Amino acid sequence: AQSVTQLDSQVPVFEEAPVELRCNYSSSVSVYLFWYVQYPNQGLQLLLKYLSGSTLVKGINGFEAEFNKSQTSFHLRKPSVHISDTAEYFCAVSPYTNAGKSTFGDGTTLTVKP
Amino acid sequence: GAGVSQSPRYKVAKRGQDVALRCDPISGHVSLFWYQQALGQGPEFLTYFQNEAQLDKSGLPSDRFFAERPEGSVSTLKIQRTQQEDSAVYLCASSPYRGQGQPQHFGDGTRLSIL
Repeated sequence: AQSVTQLDSQVPVFEEAPVELRCNYSSSVSVYLFWYVQYPNQGLQLLLKYLSGSTLVKGINGFEAEFNKSQTSFHLRKPSVHISDTAEYFCAVSPYTNAGKSTFGDGTTLTVKP
Repeated sequence: GAGVSQSPRYKVAKRGQDVALRCDPISGHVSLFWYQQALGQGPEFLTYFQNEAQLDKSGLPSDRFFAERPEGSVSTLKIQRTQQEDSAVYLCASSPYRGQGQPQHFGDGTRLSIL
């Protein structure tokens, strides 16, 4: 079984400041890792994914994440946030052996203040 | 449209009624997923189809929940004898291949409220 823990339920930050949203996971098998963003009353949109290879992955809208296998973490970062980045962010894992069954964290609400 | 389409967007039902939620995946996508998202939580896996085959239904919370995808495209999630705890947003997602490492494309969800 897999589990995902997003360590911060809410992250307030000022515009143009850097931000890090933390994600730890637990799994007995190898997993793929994803970050999704959800705007109010909408479905989830993929920000980035880690499948294999380089542990630093770049996504859309200037976001990036680093996979750390020893710490079982996949933290999301952006060097300078915009008001439009205000949204809910979800970390998810999907096991190699059953990639159809994704497990999501409970989300982090990012609020960017002017 | 080019995205995953779900209908209705909002559904209000009385406790005990049956409801049916529809998902139109992206054309040609092989895999289709249903999730339940309670308020303030992340999506919880319900079930997964590859074409018309339901490969995993381990997340369905009770035998009142039933999903089908008879022709390998449109899918319907049916909830019988609804209970208040069924109130949630139901998300559908699709992906183009067998799902291994493929990100899922989500619809905007159906918000179900049981009175």
